[in-house]
Amino acid sequence: DVVMTQSPLSLPVTLGQPASVSCRSSQSLVHSDGNTYLSWFQQRPGQSPRRLIYKVSNRDSGVPDRFSGSGSGTDFTLKISRVEAEDVGVYYCMQGTQRPLTFGGGTKVEIK
Amino acid sequence: EVHLVESGGGLVQPGGSLRLSCAASGFTFNNYWMSWVRQAPGKGLEWVANINKDGSEKFHVDSVKGRFTISRDNTKNSLYLQMNSLRVEDTAVYYCARTYHFDYWGQGALVTVSS
Repeated sequence: DVVMTQSPLSLPVTLGQPASVSCRSSQSLVHSDGNTYLSWFQQRPGQSPRRLIYKVSNRDSGVPDRFSGSGSGTDFTLKISRVEAEDVGVYYCMQGTQRPLTFGGGTKVEIK
Repeated sequence: EVHLVESGGGLVQPGGSLRLSCAASGFTFNNYWMSWVRQAPGKGLEWVANINKDGSEKFHVDSVKGRFTISRDNTKNSLYLQMNSLRVEDTAVYYCARTYHFDYWGQGALVTVSS
């Protein structure tokens, strides 16, 4: 199975400041079709997860442009350019390249 | 607007069975893969199973193989998860999600396995 490792576990951020979450996979996430199936999800307290980013860097509809994804191969990053209060929650990366689909352990973003 | 509504959760004893349903609306159901993802209390997310558009291909995580079965009824725009031989460690909120890569999620159904 592909192991997804996120860091940090917890990320205290000042409002208006940038934040960055790292995700590393135990194997390359490049699929035989040429795509890299790495997604990012946000789970606000008490809510269902919501997908933010798919295929490394594509923002889902309605996702603010302060969220961006980057990376390749086995190393990926989610960046929030200026953290807002509504961004508090847990962020998960997920690989969809190989079954079983696997998630990272999550990074909790909180306001300092 | 895409809507996914899970139902069928509840309290069940170890070894028991439960069937979850997910009612889909707001999109052409039979054009999409569908998935189940679960989250144990206070824990992270775990993919459980997914099914292709016509139900001919089904995949399950190893920990539920032989006990859980994903299925769908495209005439009813519904997704199902039949859960047999339930274990305490199956206790979780079960989410229905659209597509192979989870672009939309339901609100979840809580399944508690306890004696």
